[in-house]
Amino acid sequence: EDQVTQSPEALRLQEGESSSLNCSYTVSGLRGLFWYRQDPGKGPEFLFTLYSAGEEKEKERLKATLTKKESFLHITAPKPEDSATYLCAVQAHSGGYQKVTFGTGTKLQVIP
Amino acid sequence: ETGVTQTPRHLVMGMTNKKSLKCEQHLGHNAMYWYKQSAKKPLELMFVYSLEERVENNSVPSRFSPECPNSSHLFLHLHTLQPEDSALYLCASSQVVSETQYFGPGTRLLVL
Repeated sequence: EDQVTQSPEALRLQEGESSSLNCSYTVSGLRGLFWYRQDPGKGPEFLFTLYSAGEEKEKERLKATLTKKESFLHITAPKPEDSATYLCAVQAHSGGYQKVTFGTGTKLQVIP
Repeated sequence: ETGVTQTPRHLVMGMTNKKSLKCEQHLGHNAMYWYKQSAKKPLELMFVYSLEERVENNSVPSRFSPECPNSSHLFLHLHTLQPEDSALYLCASSQVVSETQYFGPGTRLLVL
């Protein structure tokens, strides 16, 4: 069974204090890994898709990386507006089509 | 309208009521999804439609009934729900099944 584990469950940072969120996964036949940002009471907002180990993508203060077992979302010099829950999901083959499995997320709070 | 829209945004219903959730995507995608999001749990995939044909039903109780009349619209018909069905219901769409998904804002459902 595909599994996605995100850590830490919650993270509190001072503004400007860089850190990383972790997403470890156990899937057979990984086709892609997704990062989403979700604000309270809203739907997840797409950030990145990574397809192969060694791949990196950046967007403003966020940088996502991928290895064969995990992905990191690095946040450089975060601002209060980066506060949100960050979700990781993996896409893998399952029963003839591709299935997406989500983690429970990391709730990030950035304090001014 | 742009992206994925959902109506209503909030819904309170009794256990004997019948209601419907509506989702519309303006992205020209061919696949649509219903997810349930409960506190402290990962997103639970409920239904997947590809070109208006249901391709996945993850053992969802029959009190939830999906309908996809065309590739832009998706409905979730609700009847005789239970209090444990209270959650955020999210609709998503993607170009093809299980590629990068784009989410709507969700419907916050409370079953009394």
